[in-house]
Amino acid sequence: NAGVMQNPRHLVRRRGQEARLRCSPMKGHSHVYWYRQLPEEGLKFMVYLQKENIIDESGMPKERFSAEFPKEGPSILRIQQVVRGDSAAYFCASSPKRTGGEFQGQPQHFGDGTRLSIL
Amino acid sequence: SQQGEEDPQALSIQEGENATMNCSYKTSINNLQWYRQNSGRGLVHLILIRSNEREKHSGRLRVTLDTSKKSSSLLITASRAADTASYFCATDAKNSGSRLTFGEGTQLTVNP
Repeated sequence: NAGVMQNPRHLVRRRGQEARLRCSPMKGHSHVYWYRQLPEEGLKFMVYLQKENIIDESGMPKERFSAEFPKEGPSILRIQQVVRGDSAAYFCASSPKRTGGEFQGQPQHFGDGTRLSIL
Repeated sequence: SQQGEEDPQALSIQEGENATMNCSYKTSINNLQWYRQNSGRGLVHLILIRSNEREKHSGRLRVTLDTSKKSSSLLITASRAADTASYFCATDAKNSGSRLTFGEGTQLTVNP
């Protein structure tokens, strides 16, 4: 079984360009989560999506950032007009169903991340 | 301090010794999870402990949870050089939807 696949592993962009990060969840998983990790820090939640729906985007910056998880294909995290402060590792995780609340917990399965560098 | 704060920030031990990492958090939780991250890689889930559990074991790992103190500990027994990694606790807080809140991590180095 393939795990969570993220591509590209490394992405270099110049200021003002667009960055598109892709995430294919594990087979059978319909819930996707995006996190950002700055150097020497923990992961910070950005957005939680199910197929064709954004469930929680409370961690997403209000401008320039968007995410989608279409019916077919991978989840996409899109950053427009990138700035130096967007440099980070972006991780995607997936689960077969909701991991919190009344389900009392399931682990999230993480990809190896995309390291975004802004020149 | 922020939700899911680990202590110590860094820990260096010799092979065969035990390693203990602590995590404190602020809000009520559904569960608390521990993850491991090797350099340049994604996170690997180690163990999940629910709010109504006090202790859990998995191989050489032992996790405790004290909801009255809002703290958890991860013990790795008989450590190996391959255990060298960063370890993060993550809380699934009540009323948070499904997002996990991670601490800053403990960098564990096990010297051969």
